Amino acid sequence: QKEVEQDPGPLSVPEGAIVSLNCTYSNSAFQYFMWYRQYSRKGPELLMYTYSSGNKEDGRFTAQVDKSSKYISLFIRDSQPSDSATYLCASGQGAQKLVFGQGTRLTINP
Amino acid sequence: EAGVAQSPRYKIIEKRQSVAFWCNPISGHATLYWYQQILGQGPKLLIQFQNNGVVDDSQLPKDRFSAERLKGVDSTLKIQPAKLEDSAVYLCASSMVGGKAEAFFGQGTRLTVV
Repeated sequence: QKEVEQDPGPLSVPEGAIVSLNCTYSNSAFQYFMWYRQYSRKGPELLMYTYSSGNKEDGRFTAQVDKSSKYISLFIRDSQPSDSATYLCASGQGAQKLVFGQGTRLTINP
Repeated sequence: EAGVAQSPRYKIIEKRQSVAFWCNPISGHATLYWYQQILGQGPKLLIQFQNNGVVDDSQLPKDRFSAERLKGVDSTLKIQPAKLEDSAVYLCASSMVGGKAEAFFGQGTRLTVV
């Protein structure tokens, strides 16, 4: 079993839709939960991170962590074509030593 | 602020040849990482340095991969000899020291082994 599991998609939605991206993890010691966005032929860039459980909101993006079920979510409201990218979840005991999920390829159709 | 610089951007080599990648981290970042990202997968940590010392190289295939960060700034990752399964994007990242310090990634070097 991989430490971080993510549905690879691909996921295709119309512009303006709410997008839900999800991951599960298996290591109870993980405290940091990150979402990275990776455009084609670019390196990953940090979108949001959460420490321990709870929600975090930043503009159109909301990250949720449920440690009881080991479930990580990212919601994108009012999705835009510019949000089309691969989204990577990552978790670790520190923000630096991360285990990444497989990535979900997302396409927002105008 | 300049980001993490990597070169070359692309490299095509034949199997059994050797190849080297270079990384210049963000100024002041003591921690440097090399990740391997195979097509369709998430990045996998190969090695982590803090200054010029190795913190974690547990997933580095040491029979063919080597990395160094001699002066605690730039780093080089080498593969010798390369195998077909080494085809991937090699990402360098850097961060400040500390548990909450986020890592910033370079654009990566895309290696194709034929």
